[in-house]
Amino acid sequence: QKEVEQDPGPLSVPEGAIVSLNCTYSNSAFQYFMWYRQYSRKGPELLMYTYSSGNKEDGRFTAQVDKSSKYISLFIRDSQPSDSATYLCASYSGGGADGLTFGKGTHLIIQP
Amino acid sequence: DGGITQSPKYLFRKEGQNVTLSCEQNLNHDAMYWYRQDPGQGLRLIYYSQIVNDFQKGDIAEGYSVSREKKESFPLTVTSAQKNPTAFYLCASSPRTVNEQFFGPGTRLTVL
Repeated sequence: QKEVEQDPGPLSVPEGAIVSLNCTYSNSAFQYFMWYRQYSRKGPELLMYTYSSGNKEDGRFTAQVDKSSKYISLFIRDSQPSDSATYLCASYSGGGADGLTFGKGTHLIIQP
Repeated sequence: DGGITQSPKYLFRKEGQNVTLSCEQNLNHDAMYWYRQDPGQGLRLIYYSQIVNDFQKGDIAEGYSVSREKKESFPLTVTSAQKNPTAFYLCASSPRTVNEQFFGPGTRLTVL
C-alpha cells in the first residue's frame, strides 16, 4: 500500500506563474506534513513543516493541509527558474523522532 | 558551519564486498536516519537512531547494518547480503522532540 502519492510530472510552467504541487495520503494517523525541494544529485532541503490542517506561509511558498480529504498542497508564487527541482512531500504520525514516509516527488520545470 | 556531511560522494564497489558510508553531523541533534533513493522513487527508510547506542530498523533494513557509538556519527554498512545496493544514500538528522529532518548531500553507491 502506497501511503503518500504524488504525480511524478514533469510539470512545466512559465516563469512568474503560480505553481500548485499536490500529494494525497492514506494513513489517517499522519499529523505532520513536510515539503522538501531536491535538486538533481543533491540532498533534499526542508521547505515547509506543518502540523494538522490549515495553511502555513513562508515567503513565496504556502503549504496547505486538508486532513478531511487527506490532501497536501504546496503553492509557489512568482515562480523562478531556480525553483526548477523535484518536490517531495513527506508525512509522519508524530510522537517524537521517527522515519518519514515520502512521496516519489514531482519534477517541476520553470521555463524562462 | 553547522550541518551534515556524508562521505564519500561517489563510491564504487565490487559484488560481494561490504562497504561503509560515513555520516557526521554537528547540529547537536539526537536523532539520525538513513534513507535510500532509487531513480524516480521517493526516499525509503533503512535505519534510524533516536539516541546513542540505540537504533531501529526501517522499512528496508535487510542487507544493511548501522552503529551509533557517538551522537555525531551514524555510519551505514552495506553488506554483501543486500541484493540491489546501487542507489543514492541519504543521511538525515533531527532534534528528538521535533521531527524536522535535515539531510546531507548524499553518497551515490554503484556496484560493479
